[in-house]
Amino acid sequence: GENVEQHPSTLSVQEGDSAVIKCTYSDSASNYFPWYKQELGKRPQLIIDIRSNVGEKKDQRIAVTLNKTAKHFSLHITETQPEDSAVYFCAARDAGGTSYGKLTFGQGTILTVHP
Amino acid sequence: NAGVTQTPKFRILKIGQSMTLQCAQDMNHNYMYWYRQDPGMGLKLIYYSVGAGITDKGEVPNGYNVSRSTTEDFPLRLELAAPSQTSVYFCASTQGTGSLGYSNQPQHFGDGTRLSIL
Repeated sequence: GENVEQHPSTLSVQEGDSAVIKCTYSDSASNYFPWYKQELGKRPQLIIDIRSNVGEKKDQRIAVTLNKTAKHFSLHITETQPEDSAVYFCAARDAGGTSYGKLTFGQGTILTVHP
Repeated sequence: NAGVTQTPKFRILKIGQSMTLQCAQDMNHNYMYWYRQDPGMGLKLIYYSVGAGITDKGEVPNGYNVSRSTTEDFPLRLELAAPSQTSVYFCASTQGTGSLGYSNQPQHFGDGTRLSIL
């Protein structure tokens, strides 16, 4: 089955700096890669996702890049703000038949943005 | 505009007790999932369902059971609660292609049930 590794496990940055979180996946059939943000005691919230037919996607201060050959994808947050502090999870999904939309999650990254 | 609704939000059980965690969605999604999230960890899939009457095991199904009698509801049953089942449980849903087995839509999560077993 799919295996997703996420690094780093914790990340501390100063307000205004950039933050980068990286994930690798094992199943070359995976072709959908969402990123979730989870604030303390809350549900995971989808912040951005990318499909394997594109290499990069951007939404304001958040971007995701995908390298299918190397089987890794990264989340980039620019101009970080204290409200970006949360746990971030990457995930991978094989959208082919019999996968039934199941996601495999990384272990999470605790991002702390210091004012 | 409820989305995915989970009840209860919190529960404390004694070892050996049983309970059912409720999950309902109003988006007419056919695929539904149960995850558990242990402290400081990612989400692990317990069970999933691709439609009414169809369920299957995920990564960590032991100690749990599910049923799916309607499209909207996907309850998770703990029969003999054990301390190892102390966790936060999340239900999620998405739209898939039914028996064809794939989905290109994001998953929507409920607010979770925080369960402690003492």
